Amino acid sequence: GAGVSQTPSNKVTEKGKYVELRCDPISGHTALYWYRQSLGQGPEFLIYFQGTGAADDSGLPNDRFFAVRPEGSVSTLKIQRTERGDSAVYLCASSLSGLDGYTFGSGTRLTVV
Amino acid sequence: GENVEQHPSTLSVQEGDSAVIKCTYSDSASNYFPWYKQELGKGPQLIIDIRSNVGEKKDQRIAVTLNKTAKHFSLHITETQPEDSAVYFCAASIRGSQGNLIFGKGTKLSVKP
Repeated sequence: GAGVSQTPSNKVTEKGKYVELRCDPISGHTALYWYRQSLGQGPEFLIYFQGTGAADDSGLPNDRFFAVRPEGSVSTLKIQRTERGDSAVYLCASSLSGLDGYTFGSGTRLTVV
Repeated sequence: GENVEQHPSTLSVQEGDSAVIKCTYSDSASNYFPWYKQELGKGPQLIIDIRSNVGEKKDQRIAVTLNKTAKHFSLHITETQPEDSAVYFCAASIRGSQGNLIFGKGTKLSVKP
């Protein structure tokens, strides 16, 4: 596609529920990143994929967070037992090889009530 | 780990004036420094980046300077226009553009017509 697509754009869920956030990177981009942005803050790194494998998952805050990219294209960020503190905008970005600057999507705004 | 400080948090200028945003970083191993522009409801957009082997880079009205000794880098926007109004983020990485980025907290730039 023309850009990085993230769905849904907004998600409201109840505390304790499970959510999945989807990212469609730019076609052909091998590197994919997930970041989280709280209000008034800069994005915070979560995980980086090179192809199908997670090259760096050091930013995942705890074991409730998990991400997959089974075919090296679309990625899903999964959050179990959501907490109110998980409320944020979740941003996905991709780059052609990981050696150039990357392109962000518009994000998914997650609200846990 | 790396820490990026960004100043000022807000900046208001008159159309046509210049704007300067400054960032400092803590890890001397950082070697890649991008700047992003974020408009309301959108993901960050890469506007310019610089690598540690270069002291200055310019792209039309935008320039970035890097001082590795002092560990600081700056964004310069000349001849500002109302459409430059947005939140600007600096970032740093120790693994080039392939690594996770550590972002500053952002600068809200307002350009008054």
